[in-house]
Amino acid sequence: DQQVKQNSPSLSVQEGRISILNCDYTNSMFDYFLWYKKYPAEGPTFLISISSIKDKNEDGRFTVFLNKSAKHLSLHIVPSQPGDSAVYFCAARSIYNQGGKLIFGQGTELSVKP
Amino acid sequence: KAGVTQTPRYLIKTRGQQVTLSCSPISGHRSVSWYQQTPGQGLQFLFEYFSETQRNKGNFPGRFSGRQFSNSRSEMNVSTLELGDSALYLCASSRGGNSPLHFGNGTRLTVT
Repeated sequence: DQQVKQNSPSLSVQEGRISILNCDYTNSMFDYFLWYKKYPAEGPTFLISISSIKDKNEDGRFTVFLNKSAKHLSLHIVPSQPGDSAVYFCAARSIYNQGGKLIFGQGTELSVKP
Repeated sequence: KAGVTQTPRYLIKTRGQQVTLSCSPISGHRSVSWYQQTPGQGLQFLFEYFSETQRNKGNFPGRFSGRQFSNSRSEMNVSTLELGDSALYLCASSRGGNSPLHFGNGTRLTVT
């Protein structure tokens, strides 16, 4: 039972263009969502988060959008840079687990071509 | 500010042995969580410790255990190792509450 799904295993984008990574969830008790970036041989690095009381959060080139009715969130990276090439994970936290328990998607590998 | 530190980075063990992994959280972070990452199952939550108490536990057998010390450092132990325990074990710390987790670079465990 996969509660957080990233349906695209990979995405290829040209440098300077927008990258859009998508994530769907099934559990309506999720109230906090996060995006992480992971390079090989390193741990995931926190990028940006959003609470369920918001529908958008921006941090520099990164914007996360949350559509609660569709149980869908997306991460926009504008403009994309070759250094953004990595695996991106979305994660969610339930209102019943206000701590370190996150449910992760399977990841999307982003490749940004020069 | 130093990040989350995990030791050792790599381990090779034999089936039936036991192993202990160590994690030092970011200074000031009282919550430490452990995750297992495998190609087939992705990132899965093992357990979380806060102020030396286990606050949450994932769906792993009792062979997986952990503890947290008064300085917030944490260890996890896996007894009677199985081939399927080969994975990247990640530790993450946070201030608690609605704050993000910050991960270490993991310990790569190989069971032969």
